[in-house]
Amino acid sequence: QVQLVESGGGVVQPGGSLRLSCAASGFTFVDYGMHWVRQAPGKGLEWVAFIRHDESSKYDADSVKGRFTISRDNSKNTLYLQMNSLRAEDTAVYYCAKDRDPFGSATYLKNGFDYWGQGTLVTVSS
Amino acid sequence: DIQMTQSPSSLSASVGDRVTITCRASQTIVRYLNWYQQKPGKAPRLLIYHSTILQSGVPSRFSGSGSGTDFTLTITSLQPEDFATYYCQQSYNTPPWTFGQGTKVEIE
Repeated sequence: QVQLVESGGGVVQPGGSLRLSCAASGFTFVDYGMHWVRQAPGKGLEWVAFIRHDESSKYDADSVKGRFTISRDNSKNTLYLQMNSLRAEDTAVYYCAKDRDPFGSATYLKNGFDYWGQGTLVTVSS
Repeated sequence: DIQMTQSPSSLSASVGDRVTITCRASQTIVRYLNWYQQKPGKAPRLLIYHSTILQSGVPSRFSGSGSGTDFTLTITSLQPEDFATYYCQQSYNTPPWTFGQGTKVEIE
C-alpha cells in the first residue's frame, strides 16, 4: 500500500533552516509529481511546492519563494523540502502529498492529491 | 492566481441530514475541482476529483457537481464519521494549486 512518511520537523529559531524528508513506498515514485502542503495551527491548507516526476520543473508558492527548495531523489524514493530563512509565519504542519495521476496520463497534474503523509510539525520561535 | 471561496465556513447538522457545501472559483476552472475531507489531527483525504468522480473507497453518499466557476459537494445522509472539515481545490490553472478556506461540519 502507498505510504508517505515525513520527518525532519522541529523547533527552529527565526532565520534558521530545516530540511524535511518524505519517504515514499508502495508506488512507482519516479512516475509521479509530488507536493508539499502546509497547515498553520487552526488554519486551512496552503500549497507550498511541487516537483515533476523527473525533476525537470519545480514550482513554489510566492510565500516561500527564494527561501524554500523542493527536491527529490528517485533512487531513494524520497522527497525533500529545504527551508531557509524561516519566519514565525512558517510555523505549520507540513505534509507531503502524491499527485494522483502518473506522467503520461492525459490528466497528469489535473486530479488532485490522492495520498498524504501524516505531517511533520515545524515551529519557528525564539 | 485563481481564488477559491467556500460557503458556508461552518455548519451544524444532524446524523441523517443532507448537507451541501459550495465552492466558487474566481475564474473558470472547467471541471478541475477536487474535494478533500480532513479530521482533526489527520491528513486530508481526497474524496472527489474532476468535479464529480468519487475517489476509490469513498462512500457513495458523497457526490460532487458543477463546472465553470460554481461547484457543490453533497453528503446525502450525514454519518457520525462525516463530521470534519471539507476543502475544495482547483487543479486547472497551476501553479499554484489553490484551496478554499474550508467548511467545518459540526454536530447540531
